[in-house]
Amino acid sequence: AQSVTQPDIHITVSEGASLELRCNYSYGATPYLFWYVQSPGQGLQLLLKYFSGDTLVQGIKGFEAEFKRSQSSFNLRKPSVHWSDAAEYFCAVGFTGTASKLTFGTGTRLQVTL
Amino acid sequence: DADVTQTPRNRITKTGKRIMLECSQTKGHDRMYWYRQDPGLGLRLIYYSFDVKDINKGEISDGYSVSRQAQAKFSLSLESAIPNQTALYFCATSDPLAGIYEQYFGPGTRLTVT
Repeated sequence: AQSVTQPDIHITVSEGASLELRCNYSYGATPYLFWYVQSPGQGLQLLLKYFSGDTLVQGIKGFEAEFKRSQSSFNLRKPSVHWSDAAEYFCAVGFTGTASKLTFGTGTRLQVTL
Repeated sequence: DADVTQTPRNRITKTGKRIMLECSQTKGHDRMYWYRQDPGLGLRLIYYSFDVKDINKGEISDGYSVSRQAQAKFSLSLESAIPNQTALYFCATSDPLAGIYEQYFGPGTRLTVT
């Protein structure tokens, strides 16, 4: 069965510092990969997605992610974090032939210090 | 107006009561999903539907039932609520046949069972 691992439950960074959130998946097929953000009291908003092509994808709010097939990873990055980026971030993976179901990681909560 | 809406947004109910959570979408997507979110567990799929005649169980369907009344409406019912069903519930939509593999989420329903 497919699974997604977000090894960092909680990360704290200073405003202006760079950020990298890790995501690894397990399965053999080519995945569809997503990052979502959940602000307190809100639903999930799509940050970016990868289906095929260029392995470095750009998203909203200045985020980017890189798909590395050899490492089964899809890490999320931002060069300079803003206080408003404090939220919970979820990685999700789907595969063709799985009825478009997504499997979500357990999330990484980002705290930004001023 | 939001593309995916959920009602109610918050609900407190007692053990043993029947409760229905409703989801409506204006995105025109074929597929709809119900998830529950628990701290530290991420999002887990309860049920999903391809169309009004095709409903499928997810990974944690016990204690829940669903109804797809129309393409735009997908309801989740708890026949006899129990305290461990206290969680945040999300509805989502997608349309992979139209190349839309990402899922779009509603704002969530916070359910408390006392």
